[in-house]
Amino acid sequence: DAEITQSPRHKITETGRQVTLACHQTWNHNNMFWYRQDLGHGLRLIHYSYGVHDTNKGEVSDGYSVSRSNTEDLPLTLESAASSQTSVYFCASSPGSSSTGQFFGPGTRLTVL
Amino acid sequence: GENVEQHPSTLSVQEGDSAVIKCTYSDSASNYFPWYKQELGKRPQLIIDIRSNVGEKKDQRIAVTLNKTAKHFSLHITETQPEDSAVYFCAASKPGGFKTIFGAGTRLFVKA
Repeated sequence: DAEITQSPRHKITETGRQVTLACHQTWNHNNMFWYRQDLGHGLRLIHYSYGVHDTNKGEVSDGYSVSRSNTEDLPLTLESAASSQTSVYFCASSPGSSSTGQFFGPGTRLTVL
Repeated sequence: GENVEQHPSTLSVQEGDSAVIKCTYSDSASNYFPWYKQELGKRPQLIIDIRSNVGEKKDQRIAVTLNKTAKHFSLHITETQPEDSAVYFCAASKPGGFKTIFGAGTRLFVKA
């Protein structure tokens, strides 16, 4: 069955380290998104992509980067992790033909010490 | 910038009662309004959506209404059950793009 997966599911790292969170979907969706979820803030968009080699900044993109080299994957990189980036990160995807709901991955809980 | 406000932040109802969650959006060009349910420790999942050319949509015990003039949309859950307890998010997106802006969420408690 088609799905969207994230790895790792839990990660503890230290301030200043580079961290990469993986997102992989097998629906062949053009659109992929990264969100962070913090209490009181709901889901905030970090970066998104509408297709291979396309990336766009969301509302909270500072300190994060993404690249899209194929349809299936959109890895999220924290260049130099900060304690403020401790959060739960969700990846999501949607088809590219029209506005539709998004399918979310299981999430990655990241702790920056 | 684009914004979606959601109220209330917390809602507690007795089993069998109705629950209503309200959202307002700022961008009049928004034309797609999904609702997501997130159970504790789980991922958000789409439960219902509505497009701007429709005023109301119903799916069993849940319904959504849209008032484009006022830029309001609402989620209505009737005959609530304990398994409806979760966080609910409203969202809005515009045509020509698929970026979605989410509300801050409503934590619904259904007391048995």
